[in-house]
Amino acid sequence: DTEVTQTPKHLVMGMTNKKSLKCEQHMGHRAMYWYKQKAKKPPELMFVYSYEKLSINESVPSRFSPECPNSSLLNLHLHALQPEDSALYLCASSQGGRANTEAFFGQGTRLTVV
Amino acid sequence: GENVEQHPSTLSVQEGDSAVIKCTYSDSASNYFPWYKQELGKRPQLIIDIRSNVGEKKDQRIAVTLNKTAKHFSLHITETQPEDSAVYFCAVSFYNNNDMRFGAGTRLTVKP
Repeated sequence: DTEVTQTPKHLVMGMTNKKSLKCEQHMGHRAMYWYKQKAKKPPELMFVYSYEKLSINESVPSRFSPECPNSSLLNLHLHALQPEDSALYLCASSQGGRANTEAFFGQGTRLTVV
Repeated sequence: GENVEQHPSTLSVQEGDSAVIKCTYSDSASNYFPWYKQELGKRPQLIIDIRSNVGEKKDQRIAVTLNKTAKHFSLHITETQPEDSAVYFCAVSFYNNNDMRFGAGTRLTVKP
């Protein structure tokens, strides 16, 4: 199983809403990532969890709050977003540890903030 | 963080020709260099990768070369086919911290 599953696939939310994006993998990977991708742009790193601890936070605004409840799950909690936060949010996972290895991506959540 | 530059931003080739995409990076401690292909509306998928202790790697029509001294690496696609049309991203990962950064991407179009 080389699947990274993200839910929901599409999300429309108002600027006062609170919502969560979910990501799940069962490959035993210990590094999990959130990327943001705008149209015609590369994935932009937001957060990295390594062994369920937040290891990288790329100065992301606090309206994005990541959570790693266990080694298989990664959440991204959204609150008071702005229209410019509309993008494709990609979750990825890799083995983690010292030897960097292939990152597997989920299909993404397409977020629209209205 | 790591700075990754990718060129060209667009590339158009005739079917059967070769395509070459180049990336440079800034941090000499980077040690893992994957290439991802992203088709429209789909997730990025790994097509080939190389580690810092290897200079070249080949997988059928795809090859990657790495010059650690010059801090650049390249993707080579031979005998291109229309289904190779997509956006290709290079990425760089720093040793031991799972930090992976992407280049700006190259939109490859293979004309039949």
